[in-house]
Amino acid sequence: NAGVTQTPKFRILKIGQSMTLQCAQDMNHNYMYWYRQDPGMGLKLIYYSVGAGITDKGEVPNGYNVSRSTTEDFPLRLELAAPSQTSVYFCASSYFGGAEAFFGQGTRLTVV
Amino acid sequence: DAKTTQPPSMDCAEGRAANLPCNHSTISGNEYVYWYRQIHSQGPQYIIHGLKNNETNEMASLIITEDRKSSTLILPHATLRDTAVYYCIVVGSNYKLTFGKGTLLTVNP
Repeated sequence: NAGVTQTPKFRILKIGQSMTLQCAQDMNHNYMYWYRQDPGMGLKLIYYSVGAGITDKGEVPNGYNVSRSTTEDFPLRLELAAPSQTSVYFCASSYFGGAEAFFGQGTRLTVV
Repeated sequence: DAKTTQPPSMDCAEGRAANLPCNHSTISGNEYVYWYRQIHSQGPQYIIHGLKNNETNEMASLIITEDRKSSTLILPHATLRDTAVYYCIVVGSNYKLTFGKGTLLTVNP
């Protein structure tokens, strides 16, 4: 099993550009999560999904969109990137009914 | 979900037990206590979880007080590789993980 795979690992965006952060898991997990972590801070939940076709907002959803068309994939879309979105983004997944989440290695995004 | 309170930092000598406290005085009866850690710049790693009984696995032990208002994560023989930020999280029936600031544990040689 590859676990949770995030792509890309690094990205530099210009203000106003858009991009999609990819997240895939091969563990057949129902729950998937997107977090952001600013330097020296804890993780903030952006969006989460309890299964294909079902998503919900977390603590900091503004400026982001998600979709969950398959169990395996949970892409995060940034529209009109802003410097405040400079952060490390982590994707995670867990079994239905449990919170033993597996995390990806992160995507380091810089908006300039 | 109930909030948690952890000390911002702790030190431990290599080879000694590291005891990390967490206060969760507003925890509800159906909420679990989860512990994760994050080694510098990596994604968080699940350690252990419990409801009301003490738990032990190959990584750590979790001691939950009888009133469930606090818990302690124990790393029995800390190594330098255990230096990390440790997060105590209370999880309800929505299984949504909400991270606080955690405790930075520094294991010293």
